[in-house]
Amino acid sequence: GAGVSQTPSNKVTEKGKYVELRCDPISGHTALYWYRQSLGQGPEFLIYFQGTGAADDSGLPNDRFFAVRPEGSVSTLKIQRTERGDSAVYLCASSLNLGTTQYFGPGTRLLVL
Amino acid sequence: AQTVTQSQPEMSVQEAETVTLSCTYDTSENNYYLFWYKQPPSRQMILVIRQEAYKQQNATENRFSVNFQKAAKSFSLKISDSQLGDTAMYFCAFMRPPNAGNNRKLIWGLGTSLAVNP
Repeated sequence: GAGVSQTPSNKVTEKGKYVELRCDPISGHTALYWYRQSLGQGPEFLIYFQGTGAADDSGLPNDRFFAVRPEGSVSTLKIQRTERGDSAVYLCASSLNLGTTQYFGPGTRLLVL
Repeated sequence: AQTVTQSQPEMSVQEAETVTLSCTYDTSENNYYLFWYKQPPSRQMILVIRQEAYKQQNATENRFSVNFQKAAKSFSLKISDSQLGDTAMYFCAFMRPPNAGNNRKLIWGLGTSLAVNP
């Protein structure tokens, strides 16, 4: 079946702009995760959804970052007033219920100029 | 807090040979999950292998196997008969057990860049 998909693949924006990154999980997976990976680093947890609700948003760096999953499937990560330090690859993963294995999408590379 | 350490930033191996990537972790939990993920230049994070801490038997997946030493908190990955397509970043990751509540995030090491040479 189809894996996790993320759009756009690449996004270039200017400092101060607003961006939205989309994640479409594997069909039937109720858990969805967002991570951020800076160059040369391992991924860093941002937020996790179980169904429609954010079960853990402790990784969001500040209030410029927000994520939603209104129907329990597709999720959107929203970044307001982007800063150059937000440049990174944003990875999305999904898992079956509280299953332990997370399956990742190809990521969105965000570059803030 | 849990931490994951990968002490080898870069490694290389000749095609068809065997290589072992190291990972150590720190936790006070008794049950947990450990993973190795591979990230090729395409940046897609691909699951290689998974180990449940309560299982004493080391996990294997074809050419990939782990040496899980729970007391030493060590979780190394062995790649046998290395292939050019194995060239990638390899990340070790830790997850707390389901009964840890909503804490389902993966905690990652910094990765090891593996180059398989022809």
